[in-house]
Amino acid sequence: GQQLNQSPQSMFIQEGEDVSMNCTSSSIFNTWLWYKQDPGEGPVLLIALYKAGELTSNGRLTAQFGITRKDSFLNISASIPSDVGIYFCAGQITSGTYKYIFGTGTRLKVLA
Amino acid sequence: DAGVTQSPTHLIKTRGQHVTLRCSPISGHKSVSWYQQVLGQGPQFIFQYYEKEERGRGNFPDRFSARQFPNYSSELNVNALLLGDSALYLCASSPSGSNYEQYFGPGTRLTVT
Repeated sequence: GQQLNQSPQSMFIQEGEDVSMNCTSSSIFNTWLWYKQDPGEGPVLLIALYKAGELTSNGRLTAQFGITRKDSFLNISASIPSDVGIYFCAGQITSGTYKYIFGTGTRLKVLA
Repeated sequence: DAGVTQSPTHLIKTRGQHVTLRCSPISGHKSVSWYQQVLGQGPQFIFQYYEKEERGRGNFPDRFSARQFPNYSSELNVNALLLGDSALYLCASSPSGSNYEQYFGPGTRLTVT
C-alpha cells in the first residue's frame, strides 16, 4: 500500500542528544499527525498540525507543518531512554475525513 | 477516562475462515476508523465510519467489511482469510468537529495459518 517517505529509517543516538526526523510526500496534506509506537502496542498521538508553517510543541517534542504542505518535521530534544520506539507521521488524504496515509516509520534507539 | 478498547487481543485463524474484530471508541467520539498494520510497516487505512455511515474506504478487497452500531462501537469483518491477512488490526476513534485527531487502541493481533 501507499506510504509516505520518512527519514531516517532508523537511528542510534546517545542519551541527551537532539533528534530530527522528517516525512515527505508528493501530495499536499491539510493535517499532519505524529505518533510513537512501542512494540505490540497501538500508536500514541504526539502532535497534531493543521496549518502550513505551523510549529507546535509537546514537552521535549516539536513538530512543524512544512510550508509546501508536502512535508513535516519532528524534533526531540534531550533524548531519554524512554524515547525508544518507532515514530510515524500521518497525512490526511482527503480534507474533511479521517482517512490518513502513514509514513514508513523512523526507528529510534537511545544509548544510555 | 477509558481509551479505545479492542477485542480480542490476539486471534489465530485458519485460511478460509471468517473473523470479527471489535472496537469501542473513546466516550463521546462518534467516528471510528480501522487500519491494518503489517509487521515492519506503517498502518494502512481500511475504513472510516461516522454516525453509523461509511465515510471512507481504503484499497482493500470486498472480503473486508465493517459496521458501526448506535453506541458508536464498531466491528471489522474479514471473510475467506488469507495468509497475507496476518497483521495487527488497529481501531482509531476521533471526536466530531474540525479536529481531525485520531486516537488508537492497542490493536488485535491476527495470525492466519
